[in-house]
Amino acid sequence: ETGVTQSPTHLIKTRGQQVTLRCSSQSGHNTVSWYQQALGQGPQFIFQYYREEENGRGNFPPRFSGLQFPNYSSELNVNALELDDSALYLCASSLGGAEGTQYFGPGTRLTVL
Amino acid sequence: QKEVEQNSGPLSVPEGAIASLNCTYSDRGSQSFFWYRQYSGKSPELIMFIYSNGDKEDGRFTAQLNKASQYVSLLIRDSQPSDSATYLCAVTGGRDDKIIFGKGTRLHILP
Repeated sequence: ETGVTQSPTHLIKTRGQQVTLRCSSQSGHNTVSWYQQALGQGPQFIFQYYREEENGRGNFPPRFSGLQFPNYSSELNVNALELDDSALYLCASSLGGAEGTQYFGPGTRLTVL
Repeated sequence: QKEVEQNSGPLSVPEGAIASLNCTYSDRGSQSFFWYRQYSGKSPELIMFIYSNGDKEDGRFTAQLNKASQYVSLLIRDSQPSDSATYLCAVTGGRDDKIIFGKGTRLHILP
């Protein structure tokens, strides 16, 4: 069984740039959720994709967008990067939408300068 | 606004003792409750989930849920130095089905 993978592991961008983060879900899982975790905080829910459709969104502006592919892998795109976007971005996969138990990938550490 | 509250700690517990971690939640409609362990610089790792009132045991870990009091806890028996980490409580299944995490409790097991 393949676990959740994310790429890249680390990324440095400058303010105003755009970034794309990628996630491959665990084998057999059809749901991917994205979280932002600032230092010393719990993960904050960005959005969830279930069978290629957005299935819920947290309190993040529209410059945070995503998609899910037919193989259930997913991308998180962030436009017009701000300094406060510096955080650990976590992807979690699960089976069956919002009800499923979520398993996290290793995360992508984004630094915005 | 749904909230999940945890004491940030650090909670210091002697090796071999029982560590007790607590979490309260605001949405009475919440149905699923999770405990994750997160080592510094790593991603959260699922320890346990609980759906029904009462206790659920898995090895050295016991999750306790009291929906009337909107309270969920995690007990770690025979604490080991490797248990030193941040423990995140997560709640879902309420009005909007979003999963909400607490800020986590830092646990330090004293050798």
